[in-house]
Order: sequence, then C-alpha cells, then structure tokens
Amino acid sequence: GAVVSQHPSRVICKSGTSVKIECRSLDFQATTMFWYRQFPKQSLMLMATSNEGSKATYEQGVEKDKFLINHASLTLSTLTVTSAHPEDSSFYICSARVGDRGRYNEQFFGPGTRLTVL
Amino acid sequence: KQEVTQIPAALSVPEGENLVLNCSFTDSAIYNLQWFRQDPGKGLTSLLLIQSSQREQTSGRLNASLDKSSGRSTLYIAASQPGDSATYLCAAVNTGGFKTIFGAGTRLFVKA
Repeated sequence: GAVVSQHPSRVICKSGTSVKIECRSLDFQATTMFWYRQFPKQSLMLMATSNEGSKATYEQGVEKDKFLINHASLTLSTLTVTSAHPEDSSFYICSARVGDRGRYNEQFFGPGTRLTVL
Repeated sequence: KQEVTQIPAALSVPEGENLVLNCSFTDSAIYNLQWFRQDPGKGLTSLLLIQSSQREQTSGRLNASLDKSSGRSTLYIAASQPGDSATYLCAAVNTGGFKTIFGAGTRLFVKA
C-alpha cells in the first residue's frame, strides 16, 4: 500500500512556541492531504483539507491563523501550530488521498504526531 | 450533515469467536466507506475500502459489507485472535468535497 510518513512522531514544547509537523507521501503523489486531530479515546476530527498549490480549507471552528497549513508540493504538507497552548496537546494525524491507483480516493494515514504543550 | 455511529463502543470476546462490528451513517450520498484499525497511541491502518457501487469487500478473516439504502456497514471478523485487539474505526467519504467523517470507533479486546 501507499506509505505516508509524519515527522516528528512526538514533540514536547513550551507554551507560546510554534511547532511544525510534516506529512509526506513517500511513494505516490497526493494532490490532497488532510489533517486530523484526535483527543484521548475519541475519534478523528477533520481540521482542514490541504490541496497542493492552493490555500487550505478549514473546518468550522478551526482557527486558520493558529493552525497554518502549507501544501507546497505533491508529496509534502506541513501543519504549524502557532503559539501553542496546553489545550493544543493532542494526537495529530495526516492522510493523503490516492487518486491515481486502483483504489481511487482511498486515504492512507500517517503514523501520527503526539504533541504535548507544557 | 453526515454523522457516523459505531456500535458497540466496546467489545470483549474470547479468542476464536466470530464477531460483527456495526457502522451506520445518515447521508447515503457517500463515495466510499473505509474501515481502519488503530492500535493505542498509533496511527491508522486501512483494512478494507468499499466503493459506493460495491456491496462487500473481503481480506483474509475480514469481511465488510455496505448497504447504502439502509445507511449501514458491518465488519465481520472471523475466528478472532488476541492480535485483533484494537480500536476499529469506520469512515464515510461523502461525494462532493470528499470529506471523510469518522465514527467514534469500537474498542475490541480479544481474550486469550
């Protein structure tokens, strides 16, 4: 199957700092990537849809100035949590949609990034 | 607005048992439905994807069915094993925008 990587896998930062999370599709090109967050024992909540070369589309209630998304190439999307606060602590997962293989529109997920803001 | 519900929320079964996980969705205008497995603290592993034109998909001991008219999908796990213990998530991809809506998941524990 298609492989999606995330870096870092775990990050601890102080309140007020910014954190960048990378999402890469390793063996395919992804015109669309998605960013989710997951609180403990809860399901994934879509934060934004990232299309290569254009501005991300944010879900209702997600602050676009706080969660900056850049999809600069067909294999890389980044999520930057600006001025992080403890309530931003969560598990962030990205996915990439496969549009050029037999299983059209299947999403493949990265391993996730655990963010802890002190 | 699409809503995805999974029942039961948690399930504990003895090893070897066949089991069924249920997923229901409110908007039948889906592009596909996907089942995932998530181990604690880990990302998602795709198990099965059913296109809207399909009725079921099979992979090994797993079988997923889709009934768009009733807004339901089931994941059947045959001869469960302790290694199957995980959270199982279903997700519906809507037509028009391809947003993916996840259910809350079913936490499965298979006892040896």
